[in-house]
Amino acid sequence: AQKVTQAQTEISVVEKEDVTLDCVYETRDTTYYLFWYKQPPSGELVFLIRRNSFDEQNEISGRYSWNFQKSTSSFNFTITASQVVDSAVYFCAVTTDSWGKFQFGAGTQVVVTP
Amino acid sequence: NAGVMQNPRHLVRRRGQEARLRCSPMKGHSHVYWYRQLPEEGLKFMVYLQKENIIDESGMPKERFSAEFPKEGPSILRIQQVVRGDSAAYFCASSPVGDPDGYTFGSGTRLTVV
Repeated sequence: AQKVTQAQTEISVVEKEDVTLDCVYETRDTTYYLFWYKQPPSGELVFLIRRNSFDEQNEISGRYSWNFQKSTSSFNFTITASQVVDSAVYFCAVTTDSWGKFQFGAGTQVVVTP
Repeated sequence: NAGVMQNPRHLVRRRGQEARLRCSPMKGHSHVYWYRQLPEEGLKFMVYLQKENIIDESGMPKERFSAEFPKEGPSILRIQQVVRGDSAAYFCASSPVGDPDGYTFGSGTRLTVV
């Protein structure tokens, strides 16, 4: 069975500050996929990134960046120069090569104030 | 190419009534998954279906809940004799066979039991 821990329940920042969201996962499988989703106040899930277990390269997409550290089972997410529109709940999730049964973390609420 | 379509977006039921939630997967997707998000919590896996087949229902409550994905038509999540604790957002996701990039969530159905 897999497990995802997002230890930060809520993070509040002022606009333009950077914010890093932690994600620690557990799985016995050697092949797995990690995800980040954003859930804005409107409630839908917005896909941000997928990373497979064989690809430890960090990734940057605009103001978003991800740090995948297999040695510590972490897949952290950083928002650089945060904006009010980044206010949302962010979920980290893992699934194994059986593909489909996601295990989500409890989510981190990010509040960005002007 | 329309995404995963869930309807209704919002559903209000009185205690004891039945709730039917529908999910139409993306074109070409033959796998459907249902998740439940209780207030202030992350998403929890409920059931994984293929056409006319339940593959994994380990997350389904033992009573009152059922799911189907018929040969024709949408997948249905059915909750009989709803109680206040069933109030949640229910998300459906679909995927094609063996394609991690294709996993897509719908916008969810928010069920309120009054």
